[in-house]
Amino acid sequence: EAQVTQNPRYLITVTGKKLTVTCSQNMNHEYMSWYRQDPGLGLRQIYYSMNVEVTDKGDVPEGYKVSRKEKRNFPLILESPSPNQTSLYFCASSLLGYPPGELFFGEGSRLTVL
Amino acid sequence: GENVEQHPSTLSVQEGDSAVIKCTYSDSASNYFPWYKQELGKRPQLIIDIRSNVGEKKDQRIAVTLNKTAKHFSLHITETQPEDSAVYFCAASRRGSQGNLIFGKGTKLSVKP
Repeated sequence: EAQVTQNPRYLITVTGKKLTVTCSQNMNHEYMSWYRQDPGLGLRQIYYSMNVEVTDKGDVPEGYKVSRKEKRNFPLILESPSPNQTSLYFCASSLLGYPPGELFFGEGSRLTVL
Repeated sequence: GENVEQHPSTLSVQEGDSAVIKCTYSDSASNYFPWYKQELGKRPQLIIDIRSNVGEKKDQRIAVTLNKTAKHFSLHITETQPEDSAVYFCAASRRGSQGNLIFGKGTKLSVKP
């Protein structure tokens, strides 16, 4: 089954404790991206990647890191989480090209930082 | 950069009525406009999209219209049903800018039986 898998789905952590949210897709998509969703603010892009070893900042990259060592994986790293990073996070992937391929989203990871 | 404004933020209609959600964009180079639907507790999913060389596209009860001159596009849902209740997001991107798919803030549609 074609899917984007995120882990963990739910996480409660404390300020400053490094954490990683994993994202994996099995569709051989070149493009992967991370979004955060907050009430009233919609979906805001954090980072994206066009291919292996190619990443770029989105609209709200501060406090986050990513890596793309393999085509299928795109982990999101919070080196020192803060309460303002409490949010619902979505990973998404698509084929590249024009028009842009349909974005396939993971199920989301709800993060709470105390 | 691109900015996408979406209105209204909430919309309540009676079952069977039509619903219209409007978005405006700022970058005249944007040429691809998808709409995503997010049901409660679920992930966003693409429901329809339109390219700038097309003025209107329909898929059963859903249609999207695009006015390039005015830089706005709209989602039209006819004969609404309770299962249409969800948050709808519009988005815009430029050719060659897969990473620059900018989303609106969403519209929460409630369809009352």
